[in-house]
Amino acid sequence: EPEVTQTPSHQVTQMGQEVILRCVPISNHLYFYWYRQILGQKVEFLVSFYNNEISEKSEIFDDQFSVERPDGSNFTLKIRSTKLEDSAMYFCASSSGSRYGYTFGSGTRLTVV
Amino acid sequence: SQQGEEDPQALSIQEGENATMNCSYKTSINNLQWYRQNSGRGLVHLILIRSNEREKHSGRLRVTLDTSKKSSSLLITASRAADTASYFCATVANDYKLSFGAGTTVTVRA
Repeated sequence: EPEVTQTPSHQVTQMGQEVILRCVPISNHLYFYWYRQILGQKVEFLVSFYNNEISEKSEIFDDQFSVERPDGSNFTLKIRSTKLEDSAMYFCASSSGSRYGYTFGSGTRLTVV
Repeated sequence: SQQGEEDPQALSIQEGENATMNCSYKTSINNLQWYRQNSGRGLVHLILIRSNEREKHSGRLRVTLDTSKKSSSLLITASRAADTASYFCATVANDYKLSFGAGTTVTVRA
């Protein structure tokens, strides 16, 4: 069964450093998403991406965050200057459209120290 | 907010019993989805029910949707130890993004 692949599985970074989280969505999916889950809390929407541009973003997705689909297969989330409160599990997801279920990756656990 | 809210927050049952959890949401939806998350792992899509559907089955899972009450339920029949996980409902409105609830943690005792 097709999978969404995320790398790395765990990233530890110092406060203020830039991180790039990588995702390979399912190849024939058109919609891509990033979500995050702070330990013990809800899964929160960050951003959706369609047709090579951001279609929607949440309040969490401020100027420190950016997304790219640099080569038609990878989908990246960059955090420019990490803060302690960015520590969370970050999930990438893709889907064929809103009428279908989303396929989530297994996540990247980001720890900012 | 579109977010679904699950009830109960936690559920502990004996293997073989049924587990039922509920989800309520606030405004009109396109569809509602249920996901499972094993501890520290990713989210696994279980089932999707569209706003014009009332009930759906998938294996040991049964989902109902009552749009007049803005609520859904997930029933897991004949539970197994491997069903131990957190279960989340998530709604999709016309903005096409998933909005998750806080989840129900299910523990199945052997």
